[in-house]
Amino acid sequence: KAGVTQTPRYLIKTRGQQVTLSCSPISGHRSVSWYQQTPGQGLQFLFEYFSETQRNKGNFPGRFSGRQFSNSRSEMNVSTLELGDSALYLCASSLVQGAYEQYFGPGTRLTVT
Amino acid sequence: DQQVKQNSPSLSVQEGRISILNCDYTNSMFDYFLWYKKYPAEGPTFLISISSIKDKNEDGRFTVFLNKSAKHLSLHIVPSQPGDSAVYFCAASGPGGQGNLIFGKGTKLSVKP
Repeated sequence: KAGVTQTPRYLIKTRGQQVTLSCSPISGHRSVSWYQQTPGQGLQFLFEYFSETQRNKGNFPGRFSGRQFSNSRSEMNVSTLELGDSALYLCASSLVQGAYEQYFGPGTRLTVT
Repeated sequence: DQQVKQNSPSLSVQEGRISILNCDYTNSMFDYFLWYKKYPAEGPTFLISISSIKDKNEDGRFTVFLNKSAKHLSLHIVPSQPGDSAVYFCAASGPGGQGNLIFGKGTKLSVKP
């Protein structure tokens, strides 16, 4: 079974721009969560989607948003990029909403200049 | 305030010996705990988990121990192998899963041949 895939793997953007990251969960998995990893803060939860609805949200500003499609694929969007948004963005999938075990993709490395 | 703490940023162990990675948490509502392993340029890989109703879970060379009264868990790897060298993250989940894993900042394990 193929794992979680994320595209693109690397991205360089300029401050003020917006960016969209994509995640395809493991086949059959219906829940997708997004995390941000930075050296200072570690791994922090952004949001979880299940059945095309955001079910849970972490403590991030409204510039961070996401959505999920009927095939469970998910996208996250960051608008008005700031230098501090430079991070590894990780997507994780699980079978159902709130499932404990989550399976991570390789991440998208975003650099904001 | 960090709810999940891994106080040792790094650990070095000789091949064949035991590796013990520690994790402390503050929230007594956490009901499920997980360990993930992360290699550079890859996403975290699920390793082993334990429910709060248990005090031990074993999977091959990996054993997780939970001490609820001390709000402490540990991961034992026996015997350690060079391929185990990676960053290990402890994570906790609130009741019902909720898709929101709270991670420690990780411990870098180096297993020397």
